Amino acid sequence: EPEVTQTPSHQVTQMGQEVILRCVPISNHLYFYWYRQILGQKVEFLVSFYNNEISEKSEIFDDQFSVERPDGSNFTLKIRSTKLEDSAMYFCASRRTGLTEAFFGQGTRLTVV
Amino acid sequence: DQQVKQNSPSLSVQEGRISILNCDYTNSMFDYFLWYKKYPAEGPTFLISISSIKDKNEDGRFTVFLNKSAKHLSLHIVPSQPGDSAVYFCAASAQGQGGSEKLVFGKGTKLTVNP
Repeated sequence: EPEVTQTPSHQVTQMGQEVILRCVPISNHLYFYWYRQILGQKVEFLVSFYNNEISEKSEIFDDQFSVERPDGSNFTLKIRSTKLEDSAMYFCASRRTGLTEAFFGQGTRLTVV
Repeated sequence: DQQVKQNSPSLSVQEGRISILNCDYTNSMFDYFLWYKKYPAEGPTFLISISSIKDKNEDGRFTVFLNKSAKHLSLHIVPSQPGDSAVYFCAASAQGQGGSEKLVFGKGTKLTVNP
């Protein structure tokens, strides 16, 4: 069964450093998303991406964040200068045209120290 | 901003019995509702969904009921199995014209099914 894969599973970084979280969405999906879950809190929407551009973003997704689809398979989330409060589980998701349900990867745990 | 609320943080049931997980929402623009299951150290797994034009959707042991007037939905699992033990998230989106495709999640309910 096809699945969304994310790498790395765990990333520890120093405050102020840049991180890139990587995702390979399901191959015939055209809609891509990033969500995050801070420990003990809800899963929160960050950004949606379709047709090589951002279609929607939340207020969390400020200038420190960016997304890219550098090739036909990868979808990345970059945080330019990490803050302690960026520590969270980051989930990538993808969706097929015509369906509402998004399929999630296993997540990347980002720890900013 | 709690547009989607799951007021029970946990639920414990006996194997073979029914599990009922509840979810309330406040945004009347929501027109599609989903349930996800999540095991520790894994991402949310899609379970079942329902459009606002329906009041019930069934898939095997899982049934979702939607009461639009009460802005309430519930997930029924019958019979419950120990493997169903997980955190269950209710999510909603406003897909209609001019709406948003993002999913808004509740805080989750941890279901424990005891053998």
